[in-house]
Amino acid sequence: EDKVVQSPLSLVVHEGDTVTLNCSYEVTNFRSLLWYKQEKKAPTFLFMLTSSGIEKKSGRLSSILDKKELFSILNITATQTGDSAIYLCAVKYLFSGAGSYQLTFGKGTKLSVIP
Amino acid sequence: GAVVSQHPSWVICKSGTSVKIECRSLDFQATTMFWYRQFPKQSLMLMATSNEGSKATYEQGVEKDKFLINHASLTLSTLTVTSAHPEDSSFYICSARYADRVFPTDTQYFGPGTRLTVL
Repeated sequence: EDKVVQSPLSLVVHEGDTVTLNCSYEVTNFRSLLWYKQEKKAPTFLFMLTSSGIEKKSGRLSSILDKKELFSILNITATQTGDSAIYLCAVKYLFSGAGSYQLTFGKGTKLSVIP
Repeated sequence: GAVVSQHPSWVICKSGTSVKIECRSLDFQATTMFWYRQFPKQSLMLMATSNEGSKATYEQGVEKDKFLINHASLTLSTLTVTSAHPEDSSFYICSARYADRVFPTDTQYFGPGTRLTVL
């Protein structure tokens, strides 16, 4: 059973559109939720969210976490072709009994921005 | 579907020993697997790309004699950290790319990571 579920799986939009990507999770001992953008090589870190209701913003990207409803959204406004990528959500949680953490990734949302 | 597992989840070893980390695709075949290392501030560094039946392709700056990668089957890749030192302590993550010969995909499915602590 997937602990981290992203939706939609794939999205095609026109330049200038605003998109919202969703990530829901179900883990115990939650620590943080991370968003990454993956193009050709390693995923690029975007945001880390640990507290509910506090929006993180970077340029046209923003994200917020709801720890009560167990989800996060990533918003991209005024999309550009360079935003085309796979966006990954990952949840960090304490691995029970070991004092270490695990990082579980969702399957990603593939965003395609067309001119 | 598309589950990737790693073993072990957490390993502590003494300096100078070698540690093997396994990455398995449980319900699909993966001709390509990737090994990443997570650094502070959450960034992921691609270490190498592992193709089934051939030698791994290492990224610049990654010592191939230190980080041995074997991809012996379509469902298993291993990373061996040889003569581990404290600076090798990190979180190592693998991912696997689904190998559908008719409809290949760019999607990578990530494992849960292995925390390596070298004393």
